[in-house]
Amino acid sequence: EVQLVESGGGLVQPGGSLRLSCAASGFTFSTSWMSWVRQAPGKGLEWVANIKEDGSAKFYVDSVKGRFTISRDNAKNSLYLQMNSLRVEDTAVYYCARDLAALVCWGQGTLVTVSS
Amino acid sequence: DIMMTQTPLSLSVTPGQPASISCKSSQSLLHSDGKTYLYWYLQKPGQSPQLLIYEVSRRFSGVPDRFSGSGSGTDFTLKISRVEAEDVGVYFCMQGIHLRTFGQGTKVEIK
Repeated sequence: EVQLVESGGGLVQPGGSLRLSCAASGFTFSTSWMSWVRQAPGKGLEWVANIKEDGSAKFYVDSVKGRFTISRDNAKNSLYLQMNSLRVEDTAVYYCARDLAALVCWGQGTLVTVSS
Repeated sequence: DIMMTQTPLSLSVTPGQPASISCKSSQSLLHSDGKTYLYWYLQKPGQSPQLLIYEVSRRFSGVPDRFSGSGSGTDFTLKISRVEAEDVGVYFCMQGIHLRTFGQGTKVEIK
């Protein structure tokens, strides 16, 4: 069974940092692009970033460029999102997803709250 | 950046009746490889989104055949032939030809 489990969310002050993790199982992680997608409370979906199978290519939505870094560890079947200089508007549930152009499998999400 | 515009933003449907959602992109989603990178997702209440349709009209594994997708270029439609109670939630279209962008979402409820 394909499974994605996010962790690392929590409450952080504006300007702070947080690192999200996503543990993957049930598929060959090292041969799959991966994405992060977020959803602010009561709002729609916003794609955040994705990363190529070997980590050699990374892409970001403009609003997080220079602040967020996506990475992966194929030996650990894990995806990460390092979030720095967090803003109130980054408050959202963050989902990781297996990205085959279609986002074919999603985790349950982890909530990040940026507030003073 | 590619913008995705969905209409309507909400829909109230009688069980057994059809429903239709439109999605328009600001640029063509037809790639030089011949594929059109348009997807549909459903987010049921309290759940993560789930893939329904990929490449305009291909149903994902396990998706009932009452769901169908159509369109080309910049204009796309998701149709539910006979809405059931389990179809309530928010439907999102997404483009995948250049990065990823979602539509605003269409909330479907049962009358």
